[in-house]
Amino acid sequence: EAGVTQFPSHSVIEKGQTVTLRCDPISGHDNLYWYRRVMGKEIKFLLHFVKESKQDESGMPNNRFLAERTGGTYSTLKVQPAELEDSGVYFCASSRGQGGTYEQYFGPGTRLTVT
Amino acid sequence: GNSVTQMEGPVTLSEEAFLTINCTYTATGYPSLFWYVQYPGEGLQLLLKATKADDKGSNKGFEATYRKETTSFHLEKGSVQVSDSAVYFCALSGPGGSYIPTFGRGTSLIVHP
Repeated sequence: EAGVTQFPSHSVIEKGQTVTLRCDPISGHDNLYWYRRVMGKEIKFLLHFVKESKQDESGMPNNRFLAERTGGTYSTLKVQPAELEDSGVYFCASSRGQGGTYEQYFGPGTRLTVT
Repeated sequence: GNSVTQMEGPVTLSEEAFLTINCTYTATGYPSLFWYVQYPGEGLQLLLKATKADDKGSNKGFEATYRKETTSFHLEKGSVQVSDSAVYFCALSGPGGSYIPTFGRGTSLIVHP
């Protein structure tokens, strides 16, 4: 089966612009997660969808970030307006269920550079 | 709260050398422990895991033992290959039903022929 895919692989934008990242989970995976890794630091959780509903968005840094998952399939993460500190690698992951017994499968990430 | 500390990289080794990447954690109770690997251009993959004290996770020649007394989960491999060059992340999840992993900063491994 196809893995988790993310688009674009790399995005370079100027401060103040808008960027939208897309994640396509593995087919049949109801759970979708967004994470972010700022340069050289830990991978941090952003939020978790179950189907189209936000289960946990405790990791979203501020209201410049908007995540959606209309129809419970792919998800988008919009940053508007982008700031310099938003630069990093944004990972998406999906799993069939939630809880420790269900492995999360990660995508290759989108590298965002804000100049 | 939970946290994971792993050794800074990059770690540079010659092929067939012995590898150790140190990882220690802070958590209440008994978390599950993981090592993930990210090869160039790919997503994170679960490499191995251990869910209780003294468990040993192993995969692809890599091993790590869950040491509760030292709160550690060091990654080892007896003979690395060039193809092992990647970034390695130590992580924990739980206890108490929390399924979102807490990651370390990652350690880059570079293996030269």
